Amino acid sequence: EVQLMESGGGLVQPGGSLRLSCTTSGLTLRDNTMTWVRQAPGKGLEWVSLITGSGEVIKYADSVTGRFTISKDDSKDTLYLQMSSLRVDDTAIYYCAKCRSSTGCHGLRLENWGQGTQVTVSS
Amino acid sequence: QSVLMQPPSVSAAPGQKVTISCSGSISNIGKDYVSWYQQFPGTAPKLLIYDNNKRPSGIPDRFSGSKSGTSATLGITGLQTGDEADYYCATWDSNLDAGEFGGGTKLTVL
Repeated sequence: EVQLMESGGGLVQPGGSLRLSCTTSGLTLRDNTMTWVRQAPGKGLEWVSLITGSGEVIKYADSVTGRFTISKDDSKDTLYLQMSSLRVDDTAIYYCAKCRSSTGCHGLRLENWGQGTQVTVSS
Repeated sequence: QSVLMQPPSVSAAPGQKVTISCSGSISNIGKDYVSWYQQFPGTAPKLLIYDNNKRPSGIPDRFSGSKSGTSATLGITGLQTGDEADYYCATWDSNLDAGEFGGGTKLTVL
């Protein structure tokens, strides 16, 4: 059974940094493209970033490009999202999710999701 | 502002049928498959439909999906009060080179 569990969220001041982790089980990261999706309070879903199984392809939403970095450690079965220069509008629940393919996320088919971790950016 | 447009809300009576539309463009729905997600308050989204019209195991056949050109539609028949949730369409946009979700539609079963 595939399980994803996010951690690392919390309260941070504007301009600060935070690193989110997504611990996985029941899957091999090298065989799956992984994504981060966020949801601001009372708002809809927003795709944030993607990393392919090989790690060779990485993509970001325009809203986080240059501030967020996605990475993974296959040996630890863990996906990361390093967030810096955080802004108030980055406040959201952050979900990690697994795509079907190792080489991309066609149709944004996200088969498994974690429960999410809350990030609050406030002074 | 999402590139995929959904109605903010729809409603129907128990037992009835409802459809939720998702309008996009040639660079997203026109080029790629569409997925649909169901989300209850306080919980993570759940994949409901993938590849335009396929259901993951465990999803009842009351839920269906279709796509035509640059639009997609989610259909739900035999509505139940337990279907009250937010529904999101999603796909990849080749121009933006980014994943995209619709703004979401809140379903109310009256």
